[in-house]
Amino acid sequence: EAQVTQNPRYLITVTGKKLTVTCSQNMNHEYMSWYRQDPGLGLRQIYYSMNVEVTDKGDVPEGYKVSRKEKRNFPLILESPSPNQTSLYFCASSLLAGVADTQYFGPGTRLTVL
Amino acid sequence: AQKVTQAQTEISVVEKEDVTLDCVYETRDTTYYLFWYKQPPSGELVFLIRRNSFDEQNEISGRYSWNFQKSTSSFNFTITASQVVDSAVYFCALIRRPGSARQLTFGSGTQLTVLP
Repeated sequence: EAQVTQNPRYLITVTGKKLTVTCSQNMNHEYMSWYRQDPGLGLRQIYYSMNVEVTDKGDVPEGYKVSRKEKRNFPLILESPSPNQTSLYFCASSLLAGVADTQYFGPGTRLTVL
Repeated sequence: AQKVTQAQTEISVVEKEDVTLDCVYETRDTTYYLFWYKQPPSGELVFLIRRNSFDEQNEISGRYSWNFQKSTSSFNFTITASQVVDSAVYFCALIRRPGSARQLTFGSGTQLTVLP
C-alpha cells in the first residue's frame, strides 16, 4: 500500500531532551516536507527536501533540523525542544514532476513538550 | 506573498442539508494550483481535489463539488446532502508556480459539524 508513515504517533517529552520524528514513504517520491499544525494557523511548512541531500527551510524552521540521506526517509530532529514546539506534525511527499503533484500526508505526530 | 483565507471558522448543519465552505486566495503568480484536504477527527489529512489556475471548470465528485472562479479568487467547496461522516476540518491550500519550493500555503481551516 502506498503510504507515508510517521513515528511515533504520540510523544510527550521534556524541555531540552533531543528527539527525532521519523518519516518514510514507499512511493519513490523525490519531494518530502514537514509541516506543523497549530490551532487557528492551519499548517505551516518547517523544512522541505527536493531530493537526497537537498534540503531547505520553509516558513518556520527555527528549532528544527532535517536530513535526507535516503530517498524514502526524511527525519525531523528537535535538538533542544521547547514548549512552543508542542504541536501536531505532518510529513508529506510528492513526485517532483511539476508543481501539480499532490502532496500526500502521513498520519501525524502529536508532540507535547513539557 | 500568497495567502489563503477561510473565513468560516466553524459551520454546523443538520444531516441532508447542503453546505458550502468558502476559500479565497491571494497570489501574484499566474500559474498556481489549489487543493482541498479533509481532516477527520482521527487527525490524518486526506486529499480531496487539485485544480490548476488555467482550468476554471467546476468539478463534481459524488456529493462533493467545487466552484473555481479566478475573477473573485475563490475556490469554494460544496457538500450536497451532508452526512455525519462529513464532519471534519476542511483545509484549502495553494501552491505557487513551478520552480518554487512546492510549499503548500494552507488556510486556517473550517470545522464542519454535521448533526444527525
